[in-house]
Amino acid sequence: DSGVTQTPKHLITATGQRVTLRCSPRSGDLSVYWYQQSLDQGLQFLIQYYNGEERAKGNILERFSAQQFPDLHSELNLSSLELGDSALYFCASSAHSSGANVLTFGAGSRLTVL
Amino acid sequence: AQSVAQPEDQVNVAEGNPLTVKCTYSVSGNPYLFWYVQYPNRGLQFLLKYITGDNLVKGSYGFEAEFNKSQTSFHLKKPSALVSDSALYFCAVRASLSGGSYIPTFGRGTSLIVHP
Repeated sequence: DSGVTQTPKHLITATGQRVTLRCSPRSGDLSVYWYQQSLDQGLQFLIQYYNGEERAKGNILERFSAQQFPDLHSELNLSSLELGDSALYFCASSAHSSGANVLTFGAGSRLTVL
Repeated sequence: AQSVAQPEDQVNVAEGNPLTVKCTYSVSGNPYLFWYVQYPNRGLQFLLKYITGDNLVKGSYGFEAEFNKSQTSFHLKKPSALVSDSALYFCAVRASLSGGSYIPTFGRGTSLIVHP
């Protein structure tokens, strides 16, 4: 157990729907990162939060949004889902946001869009 | 743009033999380099990192990596492979984004298969 908790582990939904993925960072970590892993794109950075504020943005689609709450857990919202959104979504956390920190990853949420 | 490349999609090695998983990087300034491993149905786990200092970095599970500035490489190595080392290995570099923030950028991964 890495200490980073992601729910749900698996999610199957239909095109056009909206889902929310949840992440609880490791105790004491202030920074949360979201990554998307797919076979054709590899591991793509989506967005980072640090202590409740958005810190960095990657290749995140406008249909996707995220936030980090005062208790430091984070949610990734995916809307108007398309088949191509099927992927493994990882949350990772670190103590700080310098980029030199080691990331601790959760086990991922596997999203299947039918 | 800062990036890492893992030129091999798959590496096959016999148990007991030395293994090397290759990584090259492209950064401006001093590189911060990392290796992570992903076992099936699991998240990535940190193996080792290079920030500064000795070019040979030792990490978890007997792995080590050699930083070579002239060749812009950071290859992962292990003297004697185990079947249990079979997994997906990711090289990563600290990359700067617009606005001055830094995030780890990952290579596409190399599947290591260790044969008994």
